[in-house]
Amino acid sequence: EAQVTQNPRYLITVTGKKLTVTCSQNMNHEYMSWYRQDPGLGLRQIYYSMNVEVTDKGDVPEGYKVSRKEKRNFPLILESPSPNQTSLYFCASSATVTVYPYNEQFFGPGTRLTVL
Amino acid sequence: GIQVEQSPPDLILQEGANSTLRCNFSDSVNNLQWFHQNPWGQLINLFYIPSGTKQNGRLSATTVATERYSLLYISSSQTTDSGVYFCALEDSGAGSYQLTFGKGTKLSVIP
Repeated sequence: EAQVTQNPRYLITVTGKKLTVTCSQNMNHEYMSWYRQDPGLGLRQIYYSMNVEVTDKGDVPEGYKVSRKEKRNFPLILESPSPNQTSLYFCASSATVTVYPYNEQFFGPGTRLTVL
Repeated sequence: GIQVEQSPPDLILQEGANSTLRCNFSDSVNNLQWFHQNPWGQLINLFYIPSGTKQNGRLSATTVATERYSLLYISSSQTTDSGVYFCALEDSGAGSYQLTFGKGTKLSVIP
């Protein structure tokens, strides 16, 4: 089944304890990105990646890191989480950006993160 | 950046009723998608529809790109249709493939 998976789905942690949220897609998509969703602010993009080893900042990158060493994986790293990073996080992917403009994005199931 | 407005913000329907959700946008788009966020928070793809009309069961969508709006039709609504419906667009001038989401329409279908 074609899908985007995220792990963990739920996480409660404490301030300053490094964590990684994994994202993997099995559709051979080039483009991957991370969003966070907050009440009243909607969904905002954190980072995106056009291809392996190519990443760039979205609208709210502060406090996050990403890497894209393999095409299928795009982990989100919080080196020193803070309470204002409590949010619902989504990973998304879409087909090759060279097949313009057919770029439907598919979202993972979400990771609900609470930082105490 | 591109502006996205969805209406109505909230909608309560009796089971079996029909509804139309609207998405207005301010600029030309490469991509327009409709999503349903269910009560568990999952974003479900409904339609990829930068232009034209599509139908999938009780749902259909129409985008008139030249007039910068899209409509999502839900017919014979069911309680499982409850949740938030988002319109999301990719600005054709942005180059980052980022989706800009509207604030959503919260739909409640009551038995």
